[in-house]
Amino acid sequence: ETGVTQTPRHLVMGMTNKKSLKCEQHLGHNAMYWYKQSAKKPLELMFVYSLEERVENNSVPSRFSPECPNSSHLFLHLHTLQPEDSALYLCASSQARGAAGELFFGEGSRLTVL
Amino acid sequence: AQKVTQAQTEISVVEKEDVTLDCVYETRDTTYYLFWYKQPPSGELVFLIRRNSFDEQNEISGRYSWNFQKSTSSFNFTITASQVVDSAVYFCALSEVDSNYQLIWGAGTKLIIKP
Repeated sequence: ETGVTQTPRHLVMGMTNKKSLKCEQHLGHNAMYWYKQSAKKPLELMFVYSLEERVENNSVPSRFSPECPNSSHLFLHLHTLQPEDSALYLCASSQARGAAGELFFGEGSRLTVL
Repeated sequence: AQKVTQAQTEISVVEKEDVTLDCVYETRDTTYYLFWYKQPPSGELVFLIRRNSFDEQNEISGRYSWNFQKSTSSFNFTITASQVVDSAVYFCALSEVDSNYQLIWGAGTKLIIKP
């Protein structure tokens, strides 16, 4: 199995829909991350979880709601999104938060909001 | 102000040419880390290298080499004898104490290797 798995790979949703992105890591890591990648913009860190506790929330709108039920799984719940939220959402994990550990990324979920 | 600048938005070379991707960073910390990641078309970012601020030795890994120069705040990446499989977007990133070691990313350089 690959280290970090994201599902679905592609998602199209209307502005009134509710959907979720799922991330699973098989590396035994203690920290997990959600990043947003929009065209021609640097990667934006959205949320960081360390040992299942949210430790970073970089001013992300409340229409994005993360959930980390255990150290291997991370979700991003989506509701009433806007077209500008269309982007590639990347999940990553690391051995521990901070300390300049290398990140292991999933292949991302390509989200299109109509 | 941008902390990590990758001035080259896109580079296109013919296979077997050497190519250098530039990265300039800005920090006031004396302890920091620099990274390069590769993002192939499949989407996942792949870690290539980490360098700490106290180690200015250049590094070579196969066809890849990195030149870290604190005097110019640069951490450039060179691919020797490029191959089509090197086509990807390459990101430089900085990790510093002030940002609690969270990665600060450059905008990326899209590298196209033509056969």
